[in-house]
Amino acid sequence: RKEVEQDPGPFNVPEGATVAFNCTYSNSASQSFFWYRQDCRKEPKLLMSVYSSGNEDGRFTAQLNRASQYISLLIRDSKLSDSATYLCVVVSGGSYIPTFGRGTSLIVHP
Amino acid sequence: SQTIHQWPATLVQPVGSPLSLECTVEGTSNPNLYWYRQAAGRGLQLLFYSVGIGQISSEVPQNLSASRPQDRQFILSSKKLLLSDSGFYLCAWSGPNEKLFFGSGTQLSVL
Repeated sequence: RKEVEQDPGPFNVPEGATVAFNCTYSNSASQSFFWYRQDCRKEPKLLMSVYSSGNEDGRFTAQLNRASQYISLLIRDSKLSDSATYLCVVVSGGSYIPTFGRGTSLIVHP
Repeated sequence: SQTIHQWPATLVQPVGSPLSLECTVEGTSNPNLYWYRQAAGRGLQLLFYSVGIGQISSEVPQNLSASRPQDRQFILSSKKLLLSDSGFYLCAWSGPNEKLFFGSGTQLSVL
């Protein structure tokens, strides 16, 4: 089983839609979680950290479910500019090694 | 503020030639440093990471090597490139909060 798994998609949604991605992780000792956004042929950029209590940043909401070992990203009111690949990142306790999922592709169309 | 510089942006090299990619970080001290590779349409593969000067950990055995001659400098090298070394190479740094920040990447094509 892969350490961090994501549905590769693509998720094809119209502007204004709400879309959600999940990411599962296998290491129960994982302690830090992040979502990154990557545009084609560009470097990944930090979108948001994921906290145990859940957190929101504008149209984006991230949640963590430790019992089921998954994190989620919800995007409300999708914009064309949200089209990108969204990468889930997990860091295990005591480790310096961030592990990336393969990413979920989002395409927002007019 | 912290910045990370990676160069060159693109590189075309023949099979069997050497490689040197350099990455430097500014505005922070004692960062953790990383080299990742991303093949076309694939996820990020961790190649090397370093928690201090001269300390290099390799995640994937291959014909690449890394060095950290200075606190904020990380170098990826190869003596002889293979076709399979083609890809998008990304340098990154992290601090105590474990957030990763990436350089702009090097697109390497080995022909």
